[in-house]
Amino acid sequence: QVQLQQSGPGLVKPSQTLSLTCAISGDSVSSNSAAWNWIRQSPSRGLEWLGRTYYKSKWYNDYAVSVKSRITIKPDTSKNEFSLQLNFLTPEDTAVYYCARGLAVAENWGQGTRVTVSS
Amino acid sequence: EIVMTQSPATLSLSPGERATLSCRASQSVTSYLAWYQQKPGQAPRLLIYGASTRATGIPARFSGSGSGTEFTLTITSLQSEDFAVYYCQQYNDWPLTFGPGTNVDIK
Repeated sequence: QVQLQQSGPGLVKPSQTLSLTCAISGDSVSSNSAAWNWIRQSPSRGLEWLGRTYYKSKWYNDYAVSVKSRITIKPDTSKNEFSLQLNFLTPEDTAVYYCARGLAVAENWGQGTRVTVSS
Repeated sequence: EIVMTQSPATLSLSPGERATLSCRASQSVTSYLAWYQQKPGQAPRLLIYGASTRATGIPARFSGSGSGTEFTLTITSLQSEDFAVYYCQQYNDWPLTFGPGTNVDIK
């Protein structure tokens, strides 16, 4: 079955960049029948779908308007993983970040990474 | 952006009772509606998609109904492991959006 393993820091300073990685087992990041997503959860904003990357003859990305100017989600086919980069962090970006697999519903989830933005 | 609302915010019930949770969309999402269950310290788990189709391994006591803007998740005969927070999510339109959740707790 599909498993997603997240890695990355739990503490990031304001104005810096968050980088998280999600390693995939049991599927391929290049699959034509899946999308690879980042979702975050905080008490103030609830569950928020940040964006996704997927492959259908070429690579596509969709990003939430709230983070569109600051976010990059990229696949790494050589490692069968995908990553999240979120720039110019503020304390409002403090949340649990999840990677997830699914075209439009999150069928499989990573374990979550609690990220705190603080100096 | 499609705004999802859920009611009630909290539902206090006893094991064995029936739970009825509501989800409303600010505009029609046809049947592109999913339900998730989340327990403390865990990631959400997909229960229902397509408004009424159970995901793999989900027990038959969970059922979903509705279309357009009004949806219901029903749990017949609550088990101890069903006490959790439940979220609805629309996938009719980007951005994909979640409701704020209903907490089903033990009475």
